[in-house]
Amino acid sequence: GQNIDQPTEMTATEGAIVQINCTYQTSGFNGLFWYQQHAGEAPTFLSYNVLDGLEEKGRFSSFLSRSKGYSYLLLKELQMKDSASYLCAVRDRWRGGATNKLIFGTGTLLAVQP
Amino acid sequence: GAVVSQHPSRVICKSGTSVKIECRSLDFQATTMFWYRQFPKQSLMLMATSNEGSKATYEQGVEKDKFLINHASLTLSTLTVTSAHPEDSSFYICSAREARGAYNEQFFGPGTRLTVL
Repeated sequence: GQNIDQPTEMTATEGAIVQINCTYQTSGFNGLFWYQQHAGEAPTFLSYNVLDGLEEKGRFSSFLSRSKGYSYLLLKELQMKDSASYLCAVRDRWRGGATNKLIFGTGTLLAVQP
Repeated sequence: GAVVSQHPSRVICKSGTSVKIECRSLDFQATTMFWYRQFPKQSLMLMATSNEGSKATYEQGVEKDKFLINHASLTLSTLTVTSAHPEDSSFYICSAREARGAYNEQFFGPGTRLTVL
């Protein structure tokens, strides 16, 4: 079956660093995405990993280990506006004409406190 | 960047009526569009995948006769919730994938909040 797990909620302090973990067990793998979603809004793209290692993008970094089925999103210099849900999503493998689809994790609600 | 719009952003309807939601890719051609549903404090659940000019592929447990999807052009897909009931109240989000995107990433619309009374 398809299973993607994230912590439900996290709390961190403004200016600090927070790491949001994601573990996955899927039948196929063709990349992992992280999205940010504010309440009542659509998700916005943060990062993409398809090979093992760390991808850095400003205050946000994402890491992937395919052998461990594990990824994390690292947020540095936290700001109040970073309070949001963070969604981990795995893209299924291309299957001879079948469309890749994203399988979303449960999402992590991050609260940044002053 | 790629922009996806949805209309309406919010709709309230009576039980038993049908509601149509439009999803448009504004500045790119989307060969594939996806429809998701999100209940409060839950993650996005894929309902169906639609490719332009062909029938949609529905996920297990999603009734294709209740959630009608039409993807008539490369920039427009519609989701019609037929005979809506209160349990259909949810946040419906579409996404579109650009044929030549760097990661083949999906761009999400702003969502439609459906409330069925």
